[in-house]
Amino acid sequence: DTAVSQTPKYLVTQMGNDKSIKCEQNLGHDTMYWYKQDSKKFLKIMFSYNNKELIINETVPNRFSPKSPDKAHLNLHINSLELGDSAVYFCASSQYGRDSVQYFGPGTRLTVT
Amino acid sequence: EDKVVQSPLSLVVHEGDTVTLNCSYEVTNFRSLLWYKQEKKAPTFLFMLTSSGIEKKSGRLSSILDKKELFSILNITATQTGDSAVYLCAVESTGANNLFFGTGTRLTVIP
Repeated sequence: DTAVSQTPKYLVTQMGNDKSIKCEQNLGHDTMYWYKQDSKKFLKIMFSYNNKELIINETVPNRFSPKSPDKAHLNLHINSLELGDSAVYFCASSQYGRDSVQYFGPGTRLTVT
Repeated sequence: EDKVVQSPLSLVVHEGDTVTLNCSYEVTNFRSLLWYKQEKKAPTFLFMLTSSGIEKKSGRLSSILDKKELFSILNITATQTGDSAVYLCAVESTGANNLFFGTGTRLTVIP
């Protein structure tokens, strides 16, 4: 009974490529998030979607685009990958307004060579 | 700008020891503070604190918040090797629904 799942778990690709990471949650939450965790383990919010509307967009490059086909899915598409994009990307979900507890997926380790 | 500072950055203890992890914060319109444990993969939720002085407890772990002094502590008693992890503190602002994380404390428990 995986609550928040991500695919793939590992992604190795070359600079300049375009890639997507998928996220699905079965918790019935209405808000989903993408975080980036760097090599120093610092977790930083990238995006969140509430009822398919973007409600946070931190200062990330526009090469990153979140796409949510429905409230159970939030995919992350990255264009023209750069070396600095190498990190672990975590998806999370919560129920907006009820409590702040965000539940995280297992992460996708992206390596750009 | 919102800020969350955790200390120490890393800590090595022996099994059975008691540890205290610290988290201080500066955030506009504070709503809640959360503690997560991160082992090899996803951060897992430990506690959410919204009121000062009310201890939250789960087994050997406990946490308390001081909204006047803007800090929280996470205590772990009788540590075990399974407690080895990075412990993350995060704060949320009212209306933002966005967690701002600290850099974490890496705890290593030696048998």
